[in-house]
Amino acid sequence: SQTIHQWPATLVQPVGSPLSLECTVEGTSNPNLYWYRQAAGRGLQLLFYSVGIGQISSEVPQNLSASRPQDRQFILSSKKLLLSDSGFYLCAWSEVGTRQLNTQYFGPGTRLTVL
Amino acid sequence: GESVGLHLPTLSVQEGDNSIINCAYSNSASDYFIWYKQESGKGPQFIIDIRSNMDKRQGQRVTVLLNKTVKHLSLQIAATQPGDSAVYFCAASSYKLIFGSGTRLLVRP
Repeated sequence: SQTIHQWPATLVQPVGSPLSLECTVEGTSNPNLYWYRQAAGRGLQLLFYSVGIGQISSEVPQNLSASRPQDRQFILSSKKLLLSDSGFYLCAWSEVGTRQLNTQYFGPGTRLTVL
Repeated sequence: GESVGLHLPTLSVQEGDNSIINCAYSNSASDYFIWYKQESGKGPQFIIDIRSNMDKRQGQRVTVLLNKTVKHLSLQIAATQPGDSAVYFCAASSYKLIFGSGTRLLVRP
C-alpha cells in the first residue's frame, strides 16, 4: 500500500531564516506530487505541483520554491521566511497522469510558525 | 474563476443523528468530486468520491449525492458518532482539483 511521509511535523523558525520541508511517497511510481498551505480555519491553497522529476508548476507567486530531485521526493524551500509563511503545509500525491483529476492523498502535514 | 463553497462553516448534531454537509461548485465542467475529513492537526483523509455520471454513491455510513443541475454536492453521515467530529472538505475537479473552505462538524454527546 502507499504511504506518504512529511517532516518535520512541527517547526518554529525566525523571520529571515531558510526553510526546507520534505515529503516522500512509498509504494507507487511516478506519482503527481503537490504542496498545499492551509491557514488556520481556512481551506487548502495549492502552492506547487509536479508531474515528474524536475518538473515543477507554481500556482501562486510567493516566497517559496519547490524541487523534485527524485521520483518520490518533493521538497518545499525558502531562502528567507516571512511572517506570512506561517501555516500548515500539506504534501499530497495522486496517481500518474497529466491532469489533476485523480484523488489526492495527503500526508500528515508540517506546522510552521515563523516568529 | 472556479470556486467551491460549503454552505455552513459549522454544523452541530446530536450523537446518533444523521448529518448532512452541503457544498456548491461553480464550474459546470467539473466531473469528479471528493469529500475529505480532516481531524485537528492532521492531513485531510479521503472519505468518498463520485463521478459526474452518477447521482449517488454509498460507503460505510456515508452517502454522497450529486445534483449537477444546481451544481450541488452533499455528504450524509448516518448515526453520527463522536469520532466523526472533524472538518469536512469537498473538492471538485475539471482539469484541477478545487477545494472548499470546510465545514466543522461538532457531535454533541
